[in-house]
Amino acid sequence: GQNIDQPTEMTATEGAIVQINCTYQTSGFNGLFWYQQHAGEAPTFLSYNVLDGLEEKGRFSSFLSRSKGYSYLLLKELQMKDSASYLCAVAGDDYKLSFGAGTTVTVRA
Amino acid sequence: IAGITQAPTSQILAAGRRMTLRCTQDMRHNAMYWYRQDLGLGLRLIHYSNTAGTTGKGEVPDGYSVSRANTDDFPLTLASAVPSQTSVYFCASSSTSGGADTQYFGPGTRLTVL
Repeated sequence: GQNIDQPTEMTATEGAIVQINCTYQTSGFNGLFWYQQHAGEAPTFLSYNVLDGLEEKGRFSSFLSRSKGYSYLLLKELQMKDSASYLCAVAGDDYKLSFGAGTTVTVRA
Repeated sequence: IAGITQAPTSQILAAGRRMTLRCTQDMRHNAMYWYRQDLGLGLRLIHYSNTAGTTGKGEVPDGYSVSRANTDDFPLTLASAVPSQTSVYFCASSSTSGGADTQYFGPGTRLTVL
């Protein structure tokens, strides 16, 4: 089976940095996705990692270590609009996505 | 604007009733998916379709059926709804099913079964 773990909740201050960790144990690996989901809305794509290392995209960066089964999403210069759930998802052998339960990030003024 | 639409937005349904959730995409994507999202459990795959005319079972297929008569539409049917099927249902699509293509999600259907 697939096992994907991420923290349930995180709180940070506007302008700060938050790191959301994701660990996984899956049947095969064909990439890791991060999605953002605002309350009551659909998930939207943030990043994709398939090779080890850091991918930077504006204020958001995502890191992957395949040997450790580990990824993190780094959110810099936090803004109030970044308050949302962040979903870690792994593409397994069959390329189907298995999702973690999501991490709810609350940004305080 | 290209994307995925779902209908209805929300529905309250009596247990035992039949219900079809509709999903339509205009991006000409080959692959489509149905997920349910429950608090604390994340998104779970119900059924998928790699291309028109084919379907497959996901992690939680029991009590649900799908069809894929054409590229654009992928309806999900609950033959006889039960309270445990109360959830938010998301339809998604991706360009292909091979390779880890980005999935794009519809706005969701909130279903309550009483």
